[in-house]
Amino acid sequence: GAVVSQHPSRVICKSGTSVKIECRSLDFQATTMFWYRQFPKQSLMLMATSNEGSKATYEQGVEKDKFLINHASLTLSTLTVTSAHPEDSSFYICSARDPGGTGYEQYFGPGTRLTVT
Amino acid sequence: AQKVTQAQTEISVVEKEDVTLDCVYETRDTTYYLFWYKQPPSGELVFLIRRNSFDEQNEISGRYSWNFQKSTSSFNFTITASQVVDSAVYFCALIGSARQLTFGSGTQLTVLP
Repeated sequence: GAVVSQHPSRVICKSGTSVKIECRSLDFQATTMFWYRQFPKQSLMLMATSNEGSKATYEQGVEKDKFLINHASLTLSTLTVTSAHPEDSSFYICSARDPGGTGYEQYFGPGTRLTVT
Repeated sequence: AQKVTQAQTEISVVEKEDVTLDCVYETRDTTYYLFWYKQPPSGELVFLIRRNSFDEQNEISGRYSWNFQKSTSSFNFTITASQVVDSAVYFCALIGSARQLTFGSGTQLTVLP
């Protein structure tokens, strides 16, 4: 089956620093990946759509200069939270669309729990 | 625009009881897919089922069953003889022509021993 990994699974950083989260499709090539954010006791909210070789598309209200997305290869997308603040503490989940399917399938990574102190 | 509504925020049952989680959706697309995911405390989403809009057959998988009714735009999920390990947050989700997933707000299910 399609497997998506995320690294790190958990990260703690100090306010003002930047942190990078990696999302990899392990056994398929993903031209499109998605980044979601989930605050405690809330649902998953789409932050941005990442397309290989082009700029990411951000959802309304998501600061593109704060959440930098790079999709430089068909198996890797990265999310960098720049100048992180405590309010950025959240659970970040990526998913990858399998181009070999109908286009409706997304496979989710295990998530990254970010804590900003 | 598409929308998924899970009106039940929290449900608590005693082990071995049956429980139904409701999901109502809105979309203008004729082709779409509906999903249910389980999210245990670890946070990782566990895929449970995918249903396309042209397949209204109900499905049963072990203790899990799903009732898809286009006439009422509902895709309800029933757990029979619930177990403590079923305790988790369950999300219903929809993907349509824009190929973007929209999640419901989730239902926290607690199964008490």
